[in-house]
Amino acid sequence: AQSVAQPEDQVNVAEGNPLTVKCTYSVSGNPYLFWYVQYPNRGLQFLLKYITGDNLVKGSYGFEAEFNKSQTSFHLKKPSALVSDSALYFCAVRDLNQAGTALIFGKGTTLSVSS
Amino acid sequence: DSGVTQTPKHLITATGQRVTLRCSPRSGDLSVYWYQQSLDQGLQFLIQYYNGEERAKGNILERFSAQQFPDLHSELNLSSLELGDSALYFCASSVASHSSAGRTGELFFGEGSRLTVL
Repeated sequence: AQSVAQPEDQVNVAEGNPLTVKCTYSVSGNPYLFWYVQYPNRGLQFLLKYITGDNLVKGSYGFEAEFNKSQTSFHLKKPSALVSDSALYFCAVRDLNQAGTALIFGKGTTLSVSS
Repeated sequence: DSGVTQTPKHLITATGQRVTLRCSPRSGDLSVYWYQQSLDQGLQFLIQYYNGEERAKGNILERFSAQQFPDLHSELNLSSLELGDSALYFCASSVASHSSAGRTGELFFGEGSRLTVL
């Protein structure tokens, strides 16, 4: 079965420092991977995706993610964190086992950026 | 603004009752997905409809049902409500189903409907 794991419930980083939010995946076949962000009392917003090609994917708000096939990871990164980046981040993988095209989400990682 | 509209934003009801949540997808999107977000279960996929037909099922309870209408809006019906059904229910939409665009495209989420069962 397709799945993703986010090993950290919370990540704390100081403003201006680089941040990493970790995600590992387990899929049969080629993975289609996504990152979303959720601000309090809001819906999920799409940040970026990996489908194929370059292992470094650039997305919205200065975020990027590195796909690593050998480590089955897709970590979200940003060179310099902002307080406004504080939110809940979800990694997701497309479920290709079913006839549909739903995304399977990890449990989420809360990012807290302090000033 | 994702273009996905959900109503109502908040709903408070009692155990045993039935509620209906409504979703209008982005213009041009044929697929609608329903998700449940709770503190203990995280974000769980419930069901997907594509152009009016059920396409995939996730962890949807038998007490829950959904449909997608000819104008592509969707409704999620929750019946015999229990305290544990209290959650945030999200609708998402995407352009297609099992085509290449459907497999690689992202989902666009609404703001959610917060259900509280007392």
